[in-house]
Amino acid sequence: DQQVKQNSPSLSVQEGRISILNCDYTNSMFDYFLWYKKYPAEGPTFLISISSIKDKNEDGRFTVFLNKSAKHLSLHIVPSQPGDSAVYFCAANRVSGGDMRFGAGTRLTVKP
Amino acid sequence: NAGVMQNPRHLVRRRGQEARLRCSPMKGHSHVYWYRQLPEEGLKFMVYLQKENIIDESGMPKERFSAEFPKEGPSILRIQQVVRGDSAAYFCASSSMGGELFFGEGSRLTVL
Repeated sequence: DQQVKQNSPSLSVQEGRISILNCDYTNSMFDYFLWYKKYPAEGPTFLISISSIKDKNEDGRFTVFLNKSAKHLSLHIVPSQPGDSAVYFCAANRVSGGDMRFGAGTRLTVKP
Repeated sequence: NAGVMQNPRHLVRRRGQEARLRCSPMKGHSHVYWYRQLPEEGLKFMVYLQKENIIDESGMPKERFSAEFPKEGPSILRIQQVVRGDSAAYFCASSSMGGELFFGEGSRLTVL
């Protein structure tokens, strides 16, 4: 069962423009959402998170938006840089604990 | 740097052999997760363990795969009688209660 979905396998943007990565989830019990970034041959690294009591969390160039009614979240990167090129995984969990579920990932390519 | 340690980083096995992958969580973390990433695919949840307990193994194949997290020592993911389709990157992650996951660098299994 795919409880977390990233429907875009890839995204290509120009350096300096905005990158928007999308994620949908089906389990209404999820209340904690995260984005991970993964370079080839490395483990995923935590990027940014948001709990369900908020609808926006910002950290530098990265902003995550949460729309609970639509069960949708998105990651905005602005301005995009070539070093942002990686696979981005959306994940969802419950603050009370439990296994974290990941989307299939979106490969972002930022062109110079 | 007491991050999540996985070994071996690379493992080659012939069909029918056994593969054992080890994971030492970050210091202070009592929750361990195993994920599998098949080529060109996302992270698939396999199993979630706490010390001496399997909490959720809904992502584990019913046969040949097992996992443990003993009171002492690392978590072990064991694959018996490996087949070519088991070739993948296996990632371990650890967390404290409800927190974000910290991933190891992965163990890449190749079955000849």
